[in-house]
Amino acid sequence: GQSLEQPSEVTAVEGAIVQINCTYQTSGFYGLSWYQQHDGGAPTFLSYNGLDGLEETGRFSSFLSRSDSYGYLLLQELQMKDSASYFCAGNQAGTALIFGKGTTLSVSS
Amino acid sequence: GAVVSQHPSRVICKSGTSVKIECRSLDFQATTMFWYRQFPKQSLMLMATSNEGSKATYEQGVEKDKFLINHASLTLSTLTVTSAHPEDSSFYICSARGDRNYGYTFGSGTRLTVV
Repeated sequence: GQSLEQPSEVTAVEGAIVQINCTYQTSGFYGLSWYQQHDGGAPTFLSYNGLDGLEETGRFSSFLSRSDSYGYLLLQELQMKDSASYFCAGNQAGTALIFGKGTTLSVSS
Repeated sequence: GAVVSQHPSRVICKSGTSVKIECRSLDFQATTMFWYRQFPKQSLMLMATSNEGSKATYEQGVEKDKFLINHASLTLSTLTVTSAHPEDSSFYICSARGDRNYGYTFGSGTRLTVV
């Protein structure tokens, strides 16, 4: 089976940098994905790490260390619109994404 | 890019009735469809996986006779909530993978309210 752990809440101010960690336990782990979800909306894909290391996409970066079963999402230059829930998700090859419980990010001015 | 259209976006139904939710892949062939359910302030929980032309595989605790999944074509999968009860009120989301799409494409979700 798979399980992914992440903090339930994170707060930050506009312009700051925040890191959301994700640790996982899964057999046959294939890759780690990150999704953003605003209230009432569907999850939106942010980033994927299939290999160890850092992936950068604009203000968002994601990191994976397979040896540590650990990854994180880094959000820079925070904006109010970044207030949302963020989910890490893992999968075995060809199977469904299994989501962590989600981290609620609140960005204040 | 890959697009999955999910309908309806919102539905209110009476207790005891059935509701059908459709997910269509618009520009790729969805060989595998995943159905999730999300209660307020909770994560997305996988309900079932369906491959085109095969019976769906349900996760533990999900009643297959209550949540009927049909994936008869490579562009359409449906989830029917039968004899709905208020506790079935939730956000239902589909996700598709295709023959050329190695990522997961999500539908926009269906907010089901059973009264």
